[in-house]
Amino acid sequence: QKEVEQDPGPLSVPEGAIVSLNCTYSNSAFQYFMWYRQYSRKGPELLMYTYSSGNKEDGRFTAQVDKSSKYISLFIRDSQPSDSATYLCAMRTGGGNKLTFGTGTQLKVEL
Amino acid sequence: DTGVSQNPRHKITKRGQNVTFRCDPISEHNRLYWYRQTLGQGPEFLTYFQNEAQLEKSRLLSDRFSAERPKGSFSTLEIQRTEQGDSAMYLCASSVVDTSSSGNTIYFGEGSWLTVV
Repeated sequence: QKEVEQDPGPLSVPEGAIVSLNCTYSNSAFQYFMWYRQYSRKGPELLMYTYSSGNKEDGRFTAQVDKSSKYISLFIRDSQPSDSATYLCAMRTGGGNKLTFGTGTQLKVEL
Repeated sequence: DTGVSQNPRHKITKRGQNVTFRCDPISEHNRLYWYRQTLGQGPEFLTYFQNEAQLEKSRLLSDRFSAERPKGSFSTLEIQRTEQGDSAMYLCASSVVDTSSSGNTIYFGEGSWLTVV
């Protein structure tokens, strides 16, 4: 069993929809949670960074962490075709230096 | 551009040849990481440097792989006697320890694609 599970999709939504992306994890020592966006054949781009449980909002993006359920989410409001990409969740322990990634969810926002 | 820079972006090599990738981190970032990503998978950690010291290596980093960061600035990743299974995107990332709540934010480069034929 992988430490981080993420539905690979693909997920297809119409423009303007609210998108919900999720990851579950098994390692209770994870304390820092990140979402990266990756366009085809490009490097991952950091979108959101949260510490421990709670919500964090940045523009159209909201990240949620529920440590009791070992579940994290990324919500995208008013989705745009330019949001079409693969979204990777990543996490690390408090004293750790390496990120553990999910497999990524491929998102397509259609006109 | 002041982001993480990687060269070459693409490399096609014959099985058995050696290849080397270079990474220039964001200026003043003292931590540097190498990850590997294959199609349909998330990046997997390979190794990590703090300044010039290599502090952690993954089991994925076989004896054919070697990474250096001689002066604590740029880094190289060399793969000797390449195999077809080495075909992947090799990602470099860098960070600096931040005492604020942001912690240790890791920024990735665009990656170096390796195809072994």
